[in-house]
Amino acid sequence: TQLLEQSPQFLSIQEGENLTVYCNSSSVFSSLQWYRQEPGEGPVLLVTVVTGGEVKKLKRLTFQFGDARKDSSLHITAAQPGDTGLYLCAGESGGSNYKLTFGKGTLLTVNP
Amino acid sequence: DAGVIQSPRHEVTEMGQEVTLRCKPISGHNSLFWYRQTMMRGLELLIYFNNNVPIDDSGMPEDRFSAKMPNASFSTLKIQPSEPRDSAVYFCASRGRASYTDTQYFGPGTRLTVL
Repeated sequence: TQLLEQSPQFLSIQEGENLTVYCNSSSVFSSLQWYRQEPGEGPVLLVTVVTGGEVKKLKRLTFQFGDARKDSSLHITAAQPGDTGLYLCAGESGGSNYKLTFGKGTLLTVNP
Repeated sequence: DAGVIQSPRHEVTEMGQEVTLRCKPISGHNSLFWYRQTMMRGLELLIYFNNNVPIDDSGMPEDRFSAKMPNASFSTLKIQPSEPRDSAVYFCASRGRASYTDTQYFGPGTRLTVL
């Protein structure tokens, strides 16, 4: 069974601060996705990383896939209250198996 | 464009009753996924369909759970009989025909409470 461990589980910061959340596994994934989920809604895809060592930027969000494709990080610069939400990472094994394995998430609160 | 549609949004029922959750995927998508989300276990895949055929149901907790996809535009997840430990938010997601990096689009979820 492939498991994804996310840390920290909870994070509360002030507007303008920087933060990093982590997603770690002992398994190799063909791709890794990051989602954000707001209360009462389903997760929404932010980014997919595929290549080991890959870095993708989405405005103030920077995503990195580890060289061995077992871990990933999400860095947010100058966090804003609108960044508040549950951040989930999900790994896909690839091939014809479209299953995603999700971490339990990091609940981020950005206080104004 | 309409996203993934789920109904009902909220369901409160008593232990032992049958519960049916419904999902309409995005038109043209050929993969459909049912997930369950709880604080303790996070987001878990229950079952997924490809071209209306169940491919992997290893996440279905037990025989009380069943899922069907009679056509490309409709799927149901049924719990019979329901138990309090089934209380959770159930999500349906769909995905198109592209590569494994294609996006899964989630519905808004059904919050199920079993008393």
